[in-house]
Amino acid sequence: AQSVTQPDIHITVSEGASLELRCNYSYGATPYLFWYVQSPGQGLQLLLKYFSGDTLVQGIKGFEAEFKRSQSSFNLRKPSVHWSDAAEYFCAGTDSWGKLQFGAGTQVVVTP
Amino acid sequence: ETGVTQTPRHLVMGMTNKKSLKCEQHLGHNAMYWYKQSAKKPLELMFVYNFKEQTENNSVPSRFSPECPNSSHLFLHLHTLQPEDSALYLCASSQDRTENNSPLHFGNGTRLTVT
Repeated sequence: AQSVTQPDIHITVSEGASLELRCNYSYGATPYLFWYVQSPGQGLQLLLKYFSGDTLVQGIKGFEAEFKRSQSSFNLRKPSVHWSDAAEYFCAGTDSWGKLQFGAGTQVVVTP
Repeated sequence: ETGVTQTPRHLVMGMTNKKSLKCEQHLGHNAMYWYKQSAKKPLELMFVYNFKEQTENNSVPSRFSPECPNSSHLFLHLHTLQPEDSALYLCASSQDRTENNSPLHFGNGTRLTVT
């Protein structure tokens, strides 16, 4: 079945440290992949998207993600997290024909 | 400021009440969506409208009734809800439902509590 999986439910990171959030997908064709962030009391905000081309995608708020077909992954990274990055992060994916599917989300806690 | 506005932000209703959630988008999009977000559960797609026509209903109970009078407005009418319907209801829009590379833009949601 086509799906998106986020293996980590919860991640704690120190302010200033690097962050990597994992996302795995299972689509036969080249997928359309997205990362969204949800701050408390807010809706989901698009961080970045990948359709084709350069496998390293730059997004807003200093985030980037790398599409790796060999690993069926689309991991999100940030070199140095800020306290304001504490939020829930959702990976989402689809292909040309199907429905958009969201992962279960990864809760990020930033410690001083 | 989000291009998708949802009202009210919070709603408490009894099981016998009738209420409506409202969503408005100012992005010129043609597709609008209702999602339900419950604690500890993945985001659930409820309804999709494309060019004002309902294109998807994901087995949602009839106590939820959507309405899309035009491409900019979407409503969710609620009646005789159950406590398990308490959740964050998110509205989203996109350029066109048939364009899968078109990202969703979300509102801030309505936090619904059914007592």
